[in-house]
Amino acid sequence: SAVISQKPSRDICQRGTSLTIQCQVDSQVTMMFWYRQQPGQSLTLIATANQGSEATYESGFVIDKFPISRPNLTFSTLTVSNMSPEDSSIYLCSVGLNQETQYFGPGTRLLVL
Amino acid sequence: TQLLEQSPQFLSIQEGENLTVYCNSSSVFSSLQWYRQEPGEGPVLLVTVVTGGEVKKLKRLTFQFGDARKDSSLHITAAQPGDTGLYLCAGVDYGMRFGAGTRLTVKP
Repeated sequence: SAVISQKPSRDICQRGTSLTIQCQVDSQVTMMFWYRQQPGQSLTLIATANQGSEATYESGFVIDKFPISRPNLTFSTLTVSNMSPEDSSIYLCSVGLNQETQYFGPGTRLLVL
Repeated sequence: TQLLEQSPQFLSIQEGENLTVYCNSSSVFSSLQWYRQEPGEGPVLLVTVVTGGEVKKLKRLTFQFGDARKDSSLHITAAQPGDTGLYLCAGVDYGMRFGAGTRLTVKP
C-alpha cells in the first residue's frame, strides 16, 4: 500500500476563484488518478495524471476547468478553475500500479459559495 | 444511469445481524473491487475479485463474483458498529467505474 496525503483537507471558496489541490505519495507510483465525489453520490473519475505527459480526461471534464500537473512520480496537483457552487464536492486522488488496485487519499472537501 | 447498480442504497441494522449488499451490471468486468469509505476518509480497498464464481473471505466479510463477471455480492456476518460506512463496488472494463454505494449503519 501507499501513504497518500492531500492539501488542503477542506476549503471554502468564493465563486469565480480557483483552488489548487495537492496530492503527495510516500513512494514512486506510475498511475495517479483524480476523482470527484459529489454529496451523496459515488466517485467519478476526472482524469488520469501521467508523469511526463498530458493528463487524460474523462468525458465531461476538460483541461481548462481542471488543469492537472504531474511533475514527478510522487506528486500531482488538480486545480478547480473559475469555481461555481456546482463544484462543491470531495476531490480525491488515488494511486496504483494499475487501475485494479488503487489507494485513495483522504480527500479535499470543497465548498463554493 | 449507473453502470454499476448497488442495492440497497441504505441499510440500518442492529449489531449481530447478518446482511448482504449487491452490485449488479449488464457489463462484463475484468475484475471487481469492493471499498469501504468512512466519513471524512477516502475509500479503502477491501478485496479484488477476478475469476467468475470466485469467493473470497475477509474475517466476517464474504465476497462473491458472479459466474458471468457482471455482478457481485458482499455478505457480512454478525455485523458490528465498526462495520458502519459506505460500501462501494467498482468494476474495471476500459477504466474503473464505481457504483453509487450502500450506506450501512450498524446500531449497538
